[in-house]
Amino acid sequence: SAVISQKPSRDICQRGTSLTIQCQVDSQVTMMFWYRQQPGQSLTLIATANQGSEATYESGFVIDKFPISRPNLTFSTLTVSNMSPEDSSIYLCSVRGDGETGELFFGEGSRLTVL
Amino acid sequence: AQSVAQPEDQVNVAEGNPLTVKCTYSVSGNPYLFWYVQYPNRGLQFLLKYITGDNLVKGSYGFEAEFNKSQTSFHLKKPSALVSDSALYFCAVRPRGSQGNLIFGKGTKLSVKP
Repeated sequence: SAVISQKPSRDICQRGTSLTIQCQVDSQVTMMFWYRQQPGQSLTLIATANQGSEATYESGFVIDKFPISRPNLTFSTLTVSNMSPEDSSIYLCSVRGDGETGELFFGEGSRLTVL
Repeated sequence: AQSVAQPEDQVNVAEGNPLTVKCTYSVSGNPYLFWYVQYPNRGLQFLLKYITGDNLVKGSYGFEAEFNKSQTSFHLKKPSALVSDSALYFCAVRPRGSQGNLIFGKGTKLSVKP
């Protein structure tokens, strides 16, 4: 299994500002995934972050709004840019276990509230 | 479109009674199937998965899940519920050949009363 640490665990932000979420894994992983969980909703994949290449974004998510960095095999950041109240969500970092059948391991999440 | 359905928003069970949380999926091929639990203000914790073989899979905290290919279902079960099992449960699938992403259901809130 993997241990994933996310910072901040929660924050209250003002409209129009940006916030960067950090994700640290205790082992080297090829792919890291960023999910969004809106209030009362399921998880939606924002993007897949591979080390050494641009992140791959899912439909409905763009790099200008959610820029991602992946400087090495144990760390990634997700920035939520120019926030609006609609961005109030839990943002979750995850990594996959070994192989195609591996389960995803999740961080504790970063709960953002945008006023 | 590929999807996962959890038809119940909430399941209420008395402590000590058996529980079932339902999940059906619409994914081509033979996907891998997963269950996760989310406690309040926490991330998701892996419970169990079905890859191949025996249709009954056992997982953490006494949970098990039954895979039914003909009904494309993967229901989560526990013989005797505990109050501490109260949480949000997510069913998820990964199509074979996928890079790693999981497709999640909308979640079912389980409430176990003493």
